[in-house]
Amino acid sequence: EIVLTQSPGTLSLSPGERATLSCRASQRLSSAYVAWYQQKPGQSPRLLISGASTRATGIPDRFSGGGSRTHFTLTISGLEPEDSAIYYCQQFGSTLSYTFGQGTKLEIK
Amino acid sequence: QVTLRESGPALVKPTQTLTLTCTFSGLSLSARGVRASWIRQPPGKALEWLARIDWDDAKIYKTSLKTRLRISKDSSRHQVVLTMTNMSPADTGTYYCARINENDAFDLWGQGAMVTVSS
Repeated sequence: EIVLTQSPGTLSLSPGERATLSCRASQRLSSAYVAWYQQKPGQSPRLLISGASTRATGIPDRFSGGGSRTHFTLTISGLEPEDSAIYYCQQFGSTLSYTFGQGTKLEIK
Repeated sequence: QVTLRESGPALVKPTQTLTLTCTFSGLSLSARGVRASWIRQPPGKALEWLARIDWDDAKIYKTSLKTRLRISKDSSRHQVVLTMTNMSPADTGTYYCARINENDAFDLWGQGAMVTVSS
C-alpha cells in the first residue's frame, strides 16, 4: 500500500499569508490521481483539488495544487479565517487502492 | 442536484455485523461511469478508504479489510450497501459514502454515519 506523509502536522499562520502544505508518497504517483480535501470540525470532507492541480467546482483560485512523482503540494494564498481546517491529500494507484495522508491542521491566528 | 445520505445503526456490539446504506438522489447508479465508495474516520483520526463499487458492479476493497467487507448496490432503489463483519471497538468512527470522479477523487460526500462499537 502506498503511504502518504503530510507535513507539517500543524501550521499556524496569519490572515493574508500563504500556506504551503506538503504530501510525500512512498512510491511514484500518477498526477492524474492525486487529490486534496478540506475538512472542518463536524463536517464531511470537501474536495478542493483533483488531478493534482484542477480545482473542484466552486473552489476559489486562492487554492492551488502542484507537484509530481512523489511530492505534491497544496498552496493557499491570501489566507482567510475560514480556511482553518484539516487538509488531507489522497491518491489512487496501480495497486487499485486509495490512500489518504494523515492530515495537516491549518490554524489561522 | 446529487445528494448522498448514509443510514444505519449508531451502536453495534463487538463481533456483530454492521450494515450501512447510502441512498443517492439525482443520480443513477447504473449509469456508465458512476462509481461510489465507503470511507471511514475514527474519532480524531485520518480518513481511511474501505471499498468501491462501479456502475457495472465491479468492486475493489482495502486489502487489509477485504475478508470483512462486502459492498453491493441496488440501482432500482438508488442504494449502495456496505457490510462489515466481526466488528470491534477499533471500528468505531464516522462512515461516509462518496461519489468518485474521473480522476478517482471523491467529489461528493454524504453527511456521515457515526458508528460506535461497544458492549
